[in-house]
Amino acid sequence: KAGVTQTPRYLIKTRGQQVTLSCSPISGHRSVSWYQQTPGQGLQFLFEYFSETQRNKGNFPGRFSGRQFSNSRSEMNVSTLELGDSALYLCASSPGASGGYSYEQYFGPGTRLTVT
Amino acid sequence: SQKIEQNSEALNIQEGKTATLTCNYTNYSPAYLQWYRQDPGRGPVFLLLIRENEKEKRKERLKVTFDTTLKQSLFHITASQPADSATYLCAPINQAGTALIFGKGTTLSVSS
Repeated sequence: KAGVTQTPRYLIKTRGQQVTLSCSPISGHRSVSWYQQTPGQGLQFLFEYFSETQRNKGNFPGRFSGRQFSNSRSEMNVSTLELGDSALYLCASSPGASGGYSYEQYFGPGTRLTVT
Repeated sequence: SQKIEQNSEALNIQEGKTATLTCNYTNYSPAYLQWYRQDPGRGPVFLLLIRENEKEKRKERLKVTFDTTLKQSLFHITASQPADSATYLCAPINQAGTALIFGKGTTLSVSS
């Protein structure tokens, strides 16, 4: 099976702009989670989507949003970028089915966002 | 608030020794706990999952314990090798199967 793919891999934006990142989960996986990783804060949970519905949300401002499509692909959007948004954004997929399923998450390679 | 603490940011050991990494959590009652490995510039890779009713789980040279009374998980790598050098992250999982928080990780360096 193909792994989790994220596009783009690298992105440079200016403060105040907005950005959209894309994630294609492993085929058959219905849950997609997004994380922000910085050297100081580590891996921080942004949100999780399951069957096109946001199932969990982390403590990030409303500038961070996401969505999931019927084919389980997901996008996250950051509006009004700030310098502190510079980070590695990771997407992870898991089967997400109920009852006796695997909870392991499969991470993509990430999108490195730099805000100048 | 929920908190995850991994014992140290860095751990240096010699090849062949056993590495022991600690994960403590507070204000949380996870149903499961996972351990991941992350290499520089890459996404984390799943290693092991342990359930709250399991005391111990093994996979090849890896062993994980889960003590819900102490709110602690220990991750052991026996007969460590330089290739085991990486950052190891722990993540408690809620009943829905979501990893809402991750530890900051412990960077293990195994010298030959």
